[in-house]
Amino acid sequence: QVQLVQSGTEVKNPGASVKVSCKASGYTFTRNALHWVRQAPGQRLEWMGWINVGNGNTKYSQKFQGRVTITRDTSASTAYMEVSSLRSEDTAVYYCARDMGLRFPYGMDVWGQGTTVTVSS
Amino acid sequence: EIVLTQSPGTLSLSPGERATLSCRASQSVPSNYLAWYQQKPGQAPRLLIYGASSRATGIPDRFSGSGSGTDFTLTISRLESEDFAVYYCQQFGSSPFTFGPGTKVDIK
Repeated sequence: QVQLVQSGTEVKNPGASVKVSCKASGYTFTRNALHWVRQAPGQRLEWMGWINVGNGNTKYSQKFQGRVTITRDTSASTAYMEVSSLRSEDTAVYYCARDMGLRFPYGMDVWGQGTTVTVSS
Repeated sequence: EIVLTQSPGTLSLSPGERATLSCRASQSVPSNYLAWYQQKPGQAPRLLIYGASSRATGIPDRFSGSGSGTDFTLTISRLESEDFAVYYCQQFGSSPFTFGPGTKVDIK
Protein backbone atom coordinates (compact mmCIF):
# COMPACT_ATOMS: atom_id res chain seq x y z
CA GLN A 1 0.00 0.00 0.00
CA VAL A 2 1.02 3.60 -0.53
CA GLN A 3 2.67 4.99 2.56
CA LEU A 4 5.13 7.54 3.89
CA VAL A 5 7.17 6.57 6.93
CA GLN A 6 8.99 9.29 8.83
CA SER A 7 11.97 9.16 11.16
CA GLY A 8 11.55 9.17 14.92
CA THR A 9 11.19 11.73 17.69
CA GLU A 10 13.93 14.34 18.07
CA VAL A 11 14.94 16.48 21.02
CA LYS A 12 17.30 19.34 20.21
CA ASN A 13 18.95 22.27 21.94
CA PRO A 14 18.24 25.81 20.75
CA GLY A 15 20.55 26.74 17.88
CA ALA A 16 20.96 23.16 16.68
CA SER A 17 19.68 21.64 13.43
CA VAL A 18 17.36 18.72 12.81
CA LYS A 19 16.90 16.58 9.71
CA VAL A 20 13.70 14.56 9.31
CA SER A 21 13.37 11.81 6.72
CA CYS A 22 10.30 10.57 4.86
CA LYS A 23 10.51 7.21 3.08
CA ALA A 24 7.94 6.49 0.39
CA SER A 25 6.69 3.10 -0.71
CA GLY A 26 3.90 1.64 -2.80
CA TYR A 27 4.11 4.12 -5.69
CA THR A 28 6.60 5.60 -8.15
CA PHE A 29 8.41 8.17 -6.00
CA THR A 30 9.22 10.59 -8.82
CA ARG A 31 5.62 11.00 -10.03
CA ASN A 32 4.35 13.10 -7.13
CA ALA A 33 5.51 16.21 -5.31
CA LEU A 34 6.05 16.15 -1.55
CA HIS A 35 5.14 18.84 0.96
CA TRP A 36 6.30 19.47 4.51
CA VAL A 37 3.76 20.76 7.02
CA ARG A 38 4.15 21.37 10.74
CA GLN A 39 1.75 21.72 13.64
CA ALA A 40 2.75 23.30 16.94
CA PRO A 41 0.87 22.08 20.03
CA GLY A 42 -2.77 23.18 19.84
CA GLN A 43 -2.15 25.20 16.68
CA ARG A 44 -3.24 25.10 13.06
CA LEU A 45 -1.37 23.31 10.30
CA GLU A 46 1.46 25.38 8.79
CA TRP A 47 2.82 24.77 5.28
CA MET A 48 6.62 24.95 5.09
CA GLY A 49 7.56 24.07 1.55
CA TRP A 50 7.49 21.44 -1.17
CA ILE A 51 9.68 19.62 -3.65
CA ASN A 52 9.08 18.43 -7.19
CA VAL A 53 10.53 14.99 -6.59
CA GLY A 54 11.07 14.48 -10.32
CA ASN A 55 13.48 17.36 -10.90
CA GLY A 56 14.36 18.43 -7.34
CA ASN A 57 12.94 21.94 -7.63
CA THR A 58 11.82 23.37 -4.30
CA LYS A 59 9.65 26.22 -3.07
CA TYR A 60 9.55 27.45 0.52
CA SER A 61 7.27 29.60 2.60
CA GLN A 62 8.96 32.98 3.01
CA LYS A 63 8.74 32.43 6.76
CA PHE A 64 11.20 29.53 6.52
CA GLN A 65 13.34 30.68 3.59
CA GLY A 66 17.02 30.32 4.46
CA ARG A 67 16.38 28.15 7.50
CA VAL A 68 14.68 25.12 5.92
CA THR A 69 16.10 22.85 3.22
CA ILE A 70 14.11 20.14 1.48
CA THR A 71 15.95 17.49 -0.55
CA ARG A 72 15.29 14.05 -1.95
CA ASP A 73 17.21 10.87 -2.77
CA THR A 74 15.37 9.16 -5.60
CA SER A 75 17.47 6.00 -5.30
CA ALA A 76 16.21 5.59 -1.74
CA SER A 77 12.67 6.92 -2.37
CA THR A 78 13.26 9.25 0.54
CA ALA A 79 12.77 12.96 1.09
CA TYR A 80 14.41 15.04 3.79
CA MET A 81 13.60 18.29 5.55
CA GLU A 82 16.29 20.08 7.56
CA VAL A 83 15.63 23.00 9.88
CA SER A 84 18.59 24.99 11.18
CA SER A 85 18.99 27.51 14.02
CA LEU A 86 16.22 25.85 16.01
CA ARG A 87 14.32 27.85 18.58
CA SER A 88 11.63 26.92 21.08
CA GLU A 89 8.90 28.07 18.67
CA ASP A 90 9.96 25.26 16.30
CA THR A 91 8.64 22.66 18.74
CA ALA A 92 6.00 20.88 16.68
CA VAL A 93 4.94 17.73 14.88
CA TYR A 94 6.42 17.75 11.38
CA TYR A 95 4.60 15.92 8.57
CA CYS A 96 5.57 15.00 5.06
CA ALA A 97 2.65 14.64 2.66
CA ARG A 98 2.37 13.52 -0.95
CA ASP A 99 0.63 15.79 -3.44
CA MET A 100 -1.65 14.27 -6.03
CA GLY A 101 0.27 16.25 -8.66
CA LEU A 102 3.91 16.79 -9.55
CA ARG A 103 4.32 20.24 -11.12
CA PHE A 104 1.12 21.81 -9.75
CA PRO A 105 -0.39 21.29 -6.30
CA TYR A 106 -3.86 19.78 -5.93
CA GLY A 107 -4.06 18.34 -2.45
CA MET A 108 -2.10 16.15 -0.07
CA ASP A 109 -3.56 12.66 -0.32
CA VAL A 110 -1.02 10.59 1.64
CA TRP A 111 0.56 11.73 4.91
CA GLY A 112 3.40 10.45 7.02
CA GLN A 113 2.76 9.58 10.64
CA GLY A 114 4.46 12.76 11.87
CA THR A 115 7.76 13.40 13.64
CA THR A 116 7.77 15.21 16.97
CA VAL A 117 10.60 17.72 17.31
CA THR A 118 11.11 19.29 20.71
CA VAL A 119 13.48 22.23 21.10
CA SER A 120 14.51 22.76 24.69
CA SER A 121 17.61 23.50 26.69
CA GLU B 1 -0.09 35.91 1.47
CA ILE B 2 -3.66 34.62 1.18
CA VAL B 3 -5.30 34.50 4.61
CA LEU B 4 -8.03 31.90 5.12
CA THR B 5 -10.74 32.43 7.72
CA GLN B 6 -12.98 29.55 8.81
CA SER B 7 -16.33 29.80 10.54
CA PRO B 8 -17.67 28.89 12.91
CA GLY B 9 -14.76 28.10 15.18
CA THR B 10 -16.75 25.32 16.81
CA LEU B 11 -19.89 23.61 15.59
CA SER B 12 -21.85 21.55 18.13
CA LEU B 13 -24.21 19.11 16.46
CA SER B 14 -25.84 15.72 16.98
CA PRO B 15 -25.28 12.60 14.88
CA GLY B 16 -27.56 12.65 11.84
CA GLU B 17 -27.56 16.44 11.58
CA ARG B 18 -26.17 18.46 8.68
CA ALA B 19 -22.91 20.38 9.11
CA THR B 20 -22.03 23.42 7.02
CA LEU B 21 -18.48 24.76 7.34
CA SER B 22 -17.27 27.97 5.74
CA CYS B 23 -13.84 28.98 4.44
CA ARG B 24 -13.28 32.55 3.26
CA ALA B 25 -10.11 33.76 1.50
CA SER B 26 -8.60 37.25 1.62
CA GLN B 27 -8.02 37.05 -2.17
CA SER B 28 -9.61 35.03 -4.92
CA VAL B 29 -8.46 31.40 -5.09
CA PRO B 30 -8.75 29.48 -8.36
CA SER B 31 -11.17 26.65 -7.62
CA ASN B 32 -8.72 24.00 -8.69
CA TYR B 33 -6.58 24.98 -5.75
CA LEU B 34 -8.77 24.65 -2.66
CA ALA B 35 -8.73 21.55 -0.48
CA TRP B 36 -10.39 20.37 2.73
CA TYR B 37 -8.88 18.04 5.35
CA GLN B 38 -10.16 16.25 8.44
CA GLN B 39 -7.93 15.79 11.47
CA LYS B 40 -8.61 13.75 14.58
CA PRO B 41 -6.58 14.07 17.81
CA GLY B 42 -3.14 12.49 17.55
CA GLN B 43 -3.57 11.70 13.85
CA ALA B 44 -2.31 13.14 10.60
CA PRO B 45 -4.81 15.05 8.49
CA ARG B 46 -6.84 13.23 5.85
CA LEU B 47 -7.69 14.73 2.47
CA LEU B 48 -11.45 14.99 1.94
CA ILE B 49 -11.95 17.39 -0.97
CA TYR B 50 -9.65 18.82 -3.66
CA GLY B 51 -10.36 21.23 -6.46
CA ALA B 52 -13.04 22.76 -4.20
CA SER B 53 -15.59 20.04 -5.01
CA SER B 54 -13.94 16.71 -5.92
CA ARG B 55 -13.99 13.98 -3.29
CA ALA B 56 -10.70 12.23 -2.62
CA THR B 57 -10.44 8.47 -2.99
CA GLY B 58 -12.46 6.57 -0.40
CA ILE B 59 -14.30 9.60 0.98
CA PRO B 60 -18.02 8.94 1.60
CA ASP B 61 -20.52 10.88 -0.47
CA ARG B 62 -21.97 12.56 2.62
CA PHE B 63 -18.99 14.94 2.28
CA SER B 64 -19.33 17.59 -0.42
CA GLY B 65 -17.49 20.78 -1.28
CA SER B 66 -18.63 23.86 -3.16
CA GLY B 67 -17.75 27.48 -3.78
CA SER B 68 -15.51 29.69 -5.84
CA GLY B 69 -13.53 32.91 -5.69
CA THR B 70 -13.24 33.79 -2.01
CA ASP B 71 -16.07 31.72 -0.48
CA PHE B 72 -15.99 27.95 -0.09
CA THR B 73 -18.14 25.49 1.84
CA LEU B 74 -17.74 21.96 3.14
CA THR B 75 -21.01 20.18 3.85
CA ILE B 76 -21.48 16.94 5.75
CA SER B 77 -25.01 15.86 4.94
CA ARG B 78 -25.63 13.54 7.92
CA LEU B 79 -23.04 13.46 10.67
CA GLU B 80 -21.81 10.07 11.78
CA SER B 81 -19.89 9.43 14.99
CA GLU B 82 -16.54 9.24 13.18
CA ASP B 83 -17.03 12.71 11.65
CA PHE B 84 -16.50 14.60 14.91
CA ALA B 85 -13.09 16.15 14.29
CA VAL B 86 -11.35 19.36 13.21
CA TYR B 87 -11.66 20.44 9.58
CA TYR B 88 -9.13 22.63 7.76
CA CYS B 89 -9.26 24.31 4.38
CA GLN B 90 -6.07 24.98 2.42
CA GLN B 91 -5.38 27.07 -0.66
CA PHE B 92 -2.79 26.33 -3.31
CA GLY B 93 -3.50 29.43 -5.39
CA SER B 94 -0.32 31.18 -4.35
CA SER B 95 2.65 30.45 -2.14
CA PRO B 96 2.68 30.08 0.81
CA PHE B 97 -0.04 27.42 0.60
CA THR B 98 -1.86 28.57 3.71
CA PHE B 99 -4.31 26.70 5.92
CA GLY B 100 -7.30 28.11 7.72
CA PRO B 101 -7.49 27.99 11.54
CA GLY B 102 -9.88 25.06 11.49
CA THR B 103 -13.47 24.34 12.52
CA LYS B 104 -14.02 21.88 15.32
CA VAL B 105 -17.15 19.76 14.93
CA ASP B 106 -18.07 18.33 18.29
CA ILE B 107 -20.94 16.32 19.72
CA LYS B 108 -23.83 18.35 21.13
